[in-house]
Amino acid sequence: GQQLNQSPQSMFIQEGEDVSMNCTSSSIFNTWLWYKQDPGEGPVLLIALYKAGELTSNGRLTAQFGITRKDSFLNISASIPSDVGIYFCAGYAGGTSYGKLTFGQGTILTVHP
Amino acid sequence: EAEVAQSPRYKITEKSQAVAFWCDPISGHATLYWYRQILGQGPELLVQFQDESVVDDSQLPKDRFSAERLKGVDSTLKIQPAELGDSAMYLCASSSGFFRPQHFGDGTRLSIL
Repeated sequence: GQQLNQSPQSMFIQEGEDVSMNCTSSSIFNTWLWYKQDPGEGPVLLIALYKAGELTSNGRLTAQFGITRKDSFLNISASIPSDVGIYFCAGYAGGTSYGKLTFGQGTILTVHP
Repeated sequence: EAEVAQSPRYKITEKSQAVAFWCDPISGHATLYWYRQILGQGPELLVQFQDESVVDDSQLPKDRFSAERLKGVDSTLKIQPAELGDSAMYLCASSSGFFRPQHFGDGTRLSIL
């Protein structure tokens, strides 16, 4: 089945720095989703991408749907302590009529004040 | 606060006992999902409903797990008997349809003693 390779696995940054993470696959995806999960809570949807090349922002977050449709990127600008958490990419590929969401392994973000 | 309601938030029980989780999706969302998430990993789909019908339960261990959505609104996931390896976070999500962004509840953290 489809697999998503998310990198980096973890990041340790200083408050105020920018962050970049990405997700790649050997398969074509039709929709990319980015989620943030805090400890003990469910994933929260940050950004949804639907077209190749699409660039979408949500506050300090910006995500892009790769031109090849096999990758997606998430950038966080001017990080703050509350950005700490696990970021997951997820996507819908073809292959099923009902849409099975595939998740990456997650990127653990730590922000030092 | 998540718009998908789940209860209980935490459940501690002994192996061989029965456990049940409840989920109320976002109003109007026809598609409902149950996921299991092991610490440090992305969510894994257990079962997907469209209205009251099961669309995909290929990863549901049917010898001990069951799920129902009798009226096509709220849903219950049951484990009987529980095993030590079932300890995990159980997440419910809903979407407005196939291939649409999924919105998660805060989950039930299950610990089997």
